Amino acid sequence: AQSVTQLDSQVPVFEEAPVELRCNYSSSVSVYLFWYVQYPNQGLQLLLKYLSGSTLVKGINGFEAEFNKSQTSFHLRKPSVHISDTAEYFCAVSERNNNNDMRFGAGTRLTVKP
Amino acid sequence: ETGVTQTPRHLVMGMTNKKSLKCEQHLGHNAMYWYKQSAKKPLELMFVYSLEERVENNSVPSRFSPECPNSSHLFLHLHTLQPEDSALYLCASSQDSGLAGADIQYFGAGTRLSVL
Repeated sequence: AQSVTQLDSQVPVFEEAPVELRCNYSSSVSVYLFWYVQYPNQGLQLLLKYLSGSTLVKGINGFEAEFNKSQTSFHLRKPSVHISDTAEYFCAVSERNNNNDMRFGAGTRLTVKP
Repeated sequence: ETGVTQTPRHLVMGMTNKKSLKCEQHLGHNAMYWYKQSAKKPLELMFVYSLEERVENNSVPSRFSPECPNSSHLFLHLHTLQPEDSALYLCASSQDSGLAGADIQYFGAGTRLSVL
């Protein structure tokens, strides 16, 4: 079965700095990839997803991620973060042609400091 | 109404209690999920219902019992829980897009459960 590793449990950055949250996955078949964000006291919501086509995917709130098949990675980036980006970010993977089995990473806590 | 609503938001129960968590989705989706979220661990998929039938049960202890009476409602019945069951329980829903594996899940805010 597929699995996800988020390499950093916590990432502190200053406001307006760039940020990269790392995600690596493992699967023996083709996959779909997702990033979700969880703000305090809320459920997860989708930031962006990669299904096919261009490997650079743009999402909401200025985030983007790049699918790298050779490195089995799907890192999330933002060129300039805001205080409001402080949240928990989850990378997720599901195998193509396999419904109802999305696997999530342990999450990365992004803290944006003034 | 927000898309996926979970009640209660917080629950404290003793190990001998019986309680239920409720999830309601207003999105017209045909699949619903229960996840357990513990600190520093990946979300654990517990149960999946598709078209009101259970399609996934990931070795969850029998002290957790799901119920899906219709496509809009999902319950998680709890009895004789252990302290290690304390966690945030998240409900999600999705709509079959016809592209297996690509469905986006929409989450509720969760129920914070504490077992004493």
